[in-house]
Amino acid sequence: GAVVSQHPSRVICKSGTSVKIECRSLDFQATTMFWYRQFPKQSLMLMATSNEGSKATYEQGVEKDKFLINHASLTLSTLTVTSAHPEDSSFYICSAIPRRERGVYNEQFFGPGTRLTVL
Amino acid sequence: RKEVEQDPGPFNVPEGATVAFNCTYSNSASQSFFWYRQDCRKEPKLLMSVYSSGNEDGRFTAQLNRASQYISLLIRDSKLSDSATYLCVEDSNSGYALNFGKGTSLLVTP
Repeated sequence: GAVVSQHPSRVICKSGTSVKIECRSLDFQATTMFWYRQFPKQSLMLMATSNEGSKATYEQGVEKDKFLINHASLTLSTLTVTSAHPEDSSFYICSAIPRRERGVYNEQFFGPGTRLTVL
Repeated sequence: RKEVEQDPGPFNVPEGATVAFNCTYSNSASQSFFWYRQDCRKEPKLLMSVYSSGNEDGRFTAQLNRASQYISLLIRDSKLSDSATYLCVEDSNSGYALNFGKGTSLLVTP
């Protein structure tokens, strides 16, 4: 099956620093990638939709200047958490779909997630 | 974004038991539903799809009731390895990403 990787799997950083998380589709080209965030005992919450070659679409309440998303190629999307604070500590998961067609379910393939802890 | 609601549990059942989870959704236009399984500190993995005619895969059966806007997951002959959080997921086909419920926690005990 399709494989999506994330790097790093775990990061601990000091408050105020920026952290970059990479999401790669290893064996397919992904025109669309999604970034989710999951707090303990909560559901996955969509943060933004990332389309290759265009600006990301952010969900309401997600600060685009704080969570910078770049989808420069068909196999790589990056999420940068700028000036991280302890409340940004969470499990960040990306997913990718090979193509996007309306009316057809496009299975999402999830990365293994990145656990961010901001001290 | 319309909600997908699940009973968070936890459901504690003995090995071999049958357990059922329900999930309700509010978007009557949604076409596709799924059950995902998520183990602790891991990414969610697709367990099965749910369509209007239902779906069965081994010990797992998923049903969709459009009139009442709920879907269900039935697990027969529970195994210890079934212990996980089960996420009810909706694909609204509106061009957005999947809409996840908060999950139902299942613990199967010896």
